Amino acid sequence: GAVVSQHPSWVICKSGTSVKIECRSLDFQATTMFWYRQFPKQSLMLMATSNEGSKATYEQGVEKDKFLINHASLTLSTLTVTSAHPEDSSFYICSASSDYSQETQYFGPGTRLLVL
Amino acid sequence: AQSVSQHNHHVILSEAASLELGCNYSYGGTVNLFWYVQYPGQHLQLLLKYFSGDPLVKGIKGFEAEFIKSKFSFNLRKPSVQWSDTAEYFCAVTLSGGYNKLIFGAGTRLAVHP
Repeated sequence: GAVVSQHPSWVICKSGTSVKIECRSLDFQATTMFWYRQFPKQSLMLMATSNEGSKATYEQGVEKDKFLINHASLTLSTLTVTSAHPEDSSFYICSASSDYSQETQYFGPGTRLLVL
Repeated sequence: AQSVSQHNHHVILSEAASLELGCNYSYGGTVNLFWYVQYPGQHLQLLLKYFSGDPLVKGIKGFEAEFIKSKFSFNLRKPSVQWSDTAEYFCAVTLSGGYNKLIFGAGTRLAVHP
């Protein structure tokens, strides 16, 4: 149980294009989903927290207009990197939890984005 | 600001050796504590967690961790490692009232040689 999937697993795009990454909870309803970014040989940095049906809460320093997050249902959240640039190349990981207070986060496999 | 420190960035062990990975956090309030593992090419998996109760928690694959509140520590241990334990290990905390926001340590890369 508690499986989270991400699609795509790999994406290569040209600079200036937008890329959408999907995060799905396959066997539970995710009240909250989280988006992280992991730089090479570094830890995960939280980008934003999204609750189903409401606006995402972004961490300090994360551009909300560049990283659009939608959490339209209890099983799906999307992250859209708008007008991607090479510095946006990274490993993006989502996680989901089914309880807003004290619950474990279950992580997706991640999406590697390369912007040329 | 709240932070999580993992003292060992790289650890190399031989099979059957004992393992202890350090984790300290800086926050004076109530915390929930986690250890996650990331095997090569795989996603993060939960090893164990501590919310309350017995400060010695046992997780999967023979791992355990001890919460020492006075030391703000949550060290991970395994008495005898195997080659298959080669992975990156992340300590993380959530803060009471922090809405499940995980704060991660930098991670420790463990390499176990046969």
